[in-house]
Order: sequence, then C-alpha cells, then structure tokens
Amino acid sequence: EDQVTQSPEALRLQEGESSSLNCSYTVSGLRGLFWYRQDPGKGPEFLFTLYSAGEEKEKERLKATLTKKESFLHITAPKPEDSATYLCAVQANSGYALNFGKGTSLLVTP
Amino acid sequence: GAGVSQTPSNKVTEKGKYVELRCDPISGHTALYWYRQSLGQGPEFLIYFQGTGAADDSGLPNDRFFAVRPEGSVSTLKIQRTERGDSAVYLCASSLFPDRVKDTQYFGPGTRLTVL
Repeated sequence: EDQVTQSPEALRLQEGESSSLNCSYTVSGLRGLFWYRQDPGKGPEFLFTLYSAGEEKEKERLKATLTKKESFLHITAPKPEDSATYLCAVQANSGYALNFGKGTSLLVTP
Repeated sequence: GAGVSQTPSNKVTEKGKYVELRCDPISGHTALYWYRQSLGQGPEFLIYFQGTGAADDSGLPNDRFFAVRPEGSVSTLKIQRTERGDSAVYLCASSLFPDRVKDTQYFGPGTRLTVL
C-alpha cells in the first residue's frame, strides 16, 4: 500500500533561517511526487512535480529534491509570507489519485 | 484564466439531510477529481472522472456518496443521509491530460461541510 509520511508536523523558523521539510514515501511504481502549498481556508496550490530520483526543481526560495525513498523541500532565507502548510503527495503508475501526507505546518516569524 | 471553482463555499446541514456540492473545473480540462480533507489531515481521494464517466470511485467511503459529471464539465458530489463524520472540506481538482506522465492537478478552494 502506498504511504506518505511528512516530518516535522510543525516547524517554526525565524525570518532568514533556512531549513528543510521531509517527505518519505513508499509506492509501487512512482509516476510523480508533488509538492503543494496550502494557506488556511484555501485549496492546495501547486508548487512542483518530481518524476525521477536525482531530479531537482526550484522556485524563488524553494527547492525540491527527490531520491528513491524521500523528497526534501528546502527553504532558503524564508520570509513570513512563506508561512503555510506544505503538502507532499505521490501518484502511482497504476492510477491517477494523489496520495497525500498530513503536511508540515510552517510558521516564519519576523 | 479562471481556476477551479466550487460552490457553496460553506454548507451547514443537519444529520440525515441530503447535500449537493458543485465543482466547475478549469475550461478544457478533461479530468476531474474529488478529495476530502479533515482537520489536520492531507486530502483523501474520493473519485476521478475522465470525461463523463467515473473512471475510479475506489475512494468513496460508502454508498451514501455519489458523484456525477453528465456533460463532461461541471460535477456534483451528492451525499445522502449525512452523518456528523461527513464534516470536512471537500476539494475538487482538475487536470488537462491525465494519461500523460507530466500532468498536474489544480485544486479549487473547497466546500466546508458541517453536519450538526
């Protein structure tokens, strides 16, 4: 059975303090690993898709990486507006549904 | 362009009542998905439509839940005899080419359902 585990559950950073969020997964044939950002009361907002081990993608202060067992979302010099819940999801070759982790709630303080 | 829209944004109902939740996908997207998100959890898959047909309904929790997409665009999620445990945010997503490897699901803002 596909499983996605995100850690930590919550993370508090000072503005400018870089860190990483972890997403460990097991899936029977990975079609893609997705990162979304979710603000309170809103739907998930797409950030990145990674398809194969070794792949990296960047967007502003965010960088996502992928290995065969986990993905990291690196946040460099975060700002308060980066505060949100970050969701990781996997999609298996066998279907179209996204299997989500519980998310990491990030708070960046000035 | 316009994103995925969902109505209503909030729905409060009483236990045992029937509710309908509507989703308008991004124009031209052939695939539509419903997910349910409980407090503190990630979204949980319910059902996937390709065109008008439900291609995968394996996530529907029981036969009180039903969804339709009669013209291949707008979809309605229907819940009969609602229970307090049905309270959650119901999210809709759409995508352009689900059969292609590089396909992205874009989510709507959700409908918050509260069953009293």
